[in-house]
Amino acid sequence: DVKVTQSSRYLVKRTGEKVFLECVQDMDHENMFWYRQDPGLGLRLIYFSYDVKMKEKGDIPEGYSVSREKKERFSLILESASTNQTSMYLCASSPPLEQYFGPGTRLTVT
Amino acid sequence: GQQVMQIPQYQHVQEGEDFTTYCNSSTTLSNIQWYKQRPGGHPVFLIQLVKSGEVKKQKRLTFQFGEAKKNSSLHITATQTTDVGTYFCAGRYGNKLVFGAGTILRVKS
Repeated sequence: DVKVTQSSRYLVKRTGEKVFLECVQDMDHENMFWYRQDPGLGLRLIYFSYDVKMKEKGDIPEGYSVSREKKERFSLILESASTNQTSMYLCASSPPLEQYFGPGTRLTVT
Repeated sequence: GQQVMQIPQYQHVQEGEDFTTYCNSSTTLSNIQWYKQRPGGHPVFLIQLVKSGEVKKQKRLTFQFGEAKKNSSLHITATQTTDVGTYFCAGRYGNKLVFGAGTILRVKS
């Protein structure tokens, strides 16, 4: 079974803090993705990566950056957290077809 | 950019009734995928449709891909309480997967 894990299920941070969200997959997938999920908006792609040290902007990259130093790990960074970044963050990894999602991190920025 | 419109946003049905959610794209899709997210859970892949006019079934779930590869539907026959959750379609445009906003299904027993 594919396993995608995320470092935290719940996180509370203050405005202006730097936030790291970690995602690890154990299936040697090349493709990894970060989404945020908000009610009524579905899943919106923040960044994705098709290989180590490679990253591409998704639909809503502003305020975020990513890092992929190793194939199994894809990190999402909020350089200076803001209240409008309060959301559920989902990581996914993928062979060429379907995506496997992690459990999600519910981030609250106060 | 590419968008996948999904309707309805929300549906509340009596147990045993049928349920359908629809997705539409203004441009042709390479394929379309469907995911289910249980309350408090994460999206889980259900199926992928690739061919024009394709129909696939999984027990009480029927998935269709339109002839023009611009629309798709998921139909659940005789819903059960275990069907509750949010159903997402995701359309592929080249190497990009774009999710619909999802349809929340509630089943009243």
